[in-house]
Amino acid sequence: SAVISQKPSRDICQRGTSLTIQCQVDSQVTMMFWYRQQPGQSLTLIATANQGSEATYESGFVIDKFPISRPNLTFSTLTVSNMSPEDSSIYLCSVGLPGSGIGYNEQFFGPGTRLTVL
Amino acid sequence: QQQVKQSPQSLIVQKGGISIINCAYENTAFDYFPWYQQFPGKGPALLIAIRPDVSEKKEGRFTISFNKSAKQFSLHIMDSQPGDSATYFCAASMNRSFQKLVFGTGTRLLVSP
Repeated sequence: SAVISQKPSRDICQRGTSLTIQCQVDSQVTMMFWYRQQPGQSLTLIATANQGSEATYESGFVIDKFPISRPNLTFSTLTVSNMSPEDSSIYLCSVGLPGSGIGYNEQFFGPGTRLTVL
Repeated sequence: QQQVKQSPQSLIVQKGGISIINCAYENTAFDYFPWYQQFPGKGPALLIAIRPDVSEKKEGRFTISFNKSAKQFSLHIMDSQPGDSATYFCAASMNRSFQKLVFGTGTRLLVSP
């Protein structure tokens, strides 16, 4: 597995502002992912951020709202822009790594950033 | 066709009992089926995963049963403990090309002492 940290762990922001969330991994990984988890709900993939290429966004998520940077193999940022109360969620980064025993890549998650927009 | 349906939404089990959570999928191209455990305020943790060429996988008290023909898979937690109280998510993906994980809706498990 990998040790994944996120900053900040939580934040309360005002409507119309932007917040940048950082994700740091203790090893080099090619595949990183950003998810959103609304309160009491499941996880929804926002985008895939592979180093050396533009992020790939899922349906319903756009780059202007959720710009992503992936400057190297251990770090990524997700910005939530022009926030509204509907953006209040937990934002999670994850990384894909070769599996330990199943022979497939496995996905490991960071602790999440809990965002509240007032 | 990308959905993974999970049931039940919530589950209460007595300590020492068996917890069973079920998932069903439609996309036959899915070939990787992990289960995640999430405690409040934490990120999901990979619990156990299975490939469709295996009908069952056991790790400690946790077992995945997989029925390829029915397109269903389930998580069994034997001898459930209060410390197992968490939300459990099943997921699926086309792992060979490392496609995204599609998550089920989650099951909130409470194991009563």
